[in-house]
Amino acid sequence: DTAVSQTPKYLVTQMGNDKSIKCEQNLGHDTMYWYKQDSKKFLKIMFSYNNKELIINETVPNRFSPKSPDKAHLNLHINSLELGDSAVYFCASSQTGTSLLDEQYFGPGTRLTVT
Amino acid sequence: AQKVTQAQTEISVVEKEDVTLDCVYETRDTTYYLFWYKQPPSGELVFLIRRNSFDEQNEISGRYSWNFQKSTSSFNFTITASQVVDSAVYFCALSEAYTGGFKTIFGAGTRLFVKA
Repeated sequence: DTAVSQTPKYLVTQMGNDKSIKCEQNLGHDTMYWYKQDSKKFLKIMFSYNNKELIINETVPNRFSPKSPDKAHLNLHINSLELGDSAVYFCASSQTGTSLLDEQYFGPGTRLTVT
Repeated sequence: AQKVTQAQTEISVVEKEDVTLDCVYETRDTTYYLFWYKQPPSGELVFLIRRNSFDEQNEISGRYSWNFQKSTSSFNFTITASQVVDSAVYFCALSEAYTGGFKTIFGAGTRLFVKA
């Protein structure tokens, strides 16, 4: 059973389009995250949700909008895609999100290419 | 501000060599956790270990060992008798309190190549 799954795995689209990435976790965790990993492998937190409530909202363009319909799902919608949005986007989850010791479980990543 | 520095961008070793991946962190908090994650070529990050700021005991797990030294703000990772399957990007990370929860800051990663 996949713990954290993301769809799609690959996404190729043109500038100006709107796209969504979906994430689901079956671990019963309370907190979910979105990270962006650039071409140099630098991993940066974008958002986190705890029980559907937005907790972390880093300095991310407002073209990026996360949505959490329930605590097992966290989707990422991106409007008006730009070349600089090309990256691998990782979804992750952690058990509580309120405990420092929680490790995070990562999904397989979605490689977004904007042409 | 918090920061995690992995000064080694890439390391290349021959199988069976020992290799140490360095991690230096900065934080003003007294309570925090440090982590190591592995990202193999398949892409998915995998949790390896955590250490809290009050526990400076070294840890060994098979060929892996971790050395946490608060005095130098370092949390280094050593792989003994490296194997080709150890080839991956390794990330050191720091967790500290954030409004409503915690925030994890990742270092830039060290890419390890183990050649047969």
